[in-house]
Amino acid sequence: QKEVEQNSGPLSVPEGAIASLNCTYSDRVSQSFFWYRQYSGKSPELIMSIYSNGDKEDGRFTAQLNKASQYVSLLIRDSQPSDSATYLCAVRAGSYQLTFGKGTKLSVIP
Amino acid sequence: GAGVSQSPRYKVAKRGQDVALRCDPISGHVSLFWYQQALGQGPEFLTYFQNEAQLDKSGLPSDRFFAERPEGSVSTLKIQRTQQEDSAVYLCASQGNTGELFFGEGSRLTVL
Repeated sequence: QKEVEQNSGPLSVPEGAIASLNCTYSDRVSQSFFWYRQYSGKSPELIMSIYSNGDKEDGRFTAQLNKASQYVSLLIRDSQPSDSATYLCAVRAGSYQLTFGKGTKLSVIP
Repeated sequence: GAGVSQSPRYKVAKRGQDVALRCDPISGHVSLFWYQQALGQGPEFLTYFQNEAQLDKSGLPSDRFFAERPEGSVSTLKIQRTQQEDSAVYLCASQGNTGELFFGEGSRLTVL
C-alpha cells in the first residue's frame, strides 16, 4: 500500500512569514514528487514538481526532496493571504499513477 | 479545449439512482484519470485510460462503478445504484507531455 502522509493542519502563519509544509512517503521507488494547491471548492493546481534530491526554487516557492529520508517539503516565503489553501503532496512511483496525501490546510493571517 | 471540462458540476441523486459524470479532456491528451475526493481528504485514484484503453481500474471501489472512453477523448464515469458513501467530488484529469496532470473543476455528487 503506497502511502503519502501530511500533517492535516491547519497551519497558521502571519503574513510575510515562511510557511513550511512537510510530506513523507512510503514507497522507496517513488521517482516524481509534486505539490498541488487547492482552494476551497476548486480543483487542484500544480505549483511545483521535483525529481532529484535537493532544492528547487520557483519564485516564492521552494521544494526540497530527500529520497533517503523519503521526505519532501514545500517552503513558501513571504506568505500572502492569497496563499491560504490546502496543499496536497503527490508522489508517482510508476509510470502514471499519482498518490496524494490528505493535504495540509494553510492559513496566512494578515 | 482550453482546459478539462466536467459536467455536471453538481449532482444530487436519491439513493439507488444511477448517475453519469462526463469529462472532456484537453484536446490531444492521451492519458485521462478519474479521482474521487471525499470531504477533507486528498484525491483517491479510481481509473486510468490511455486513449480508449482502460489500463488500470484498480481504484474503482465496487462493481457499481464503471468508466469508459470509447473514442479516446470524452470519458464517462457511471455509478449505478448510488449509495450515500458515494457522495464526493469526482475529479477528472488529463496528462500533458511533461507528465503534469491538469484537473477539471470536478463533479460534486451528493446522494440523499
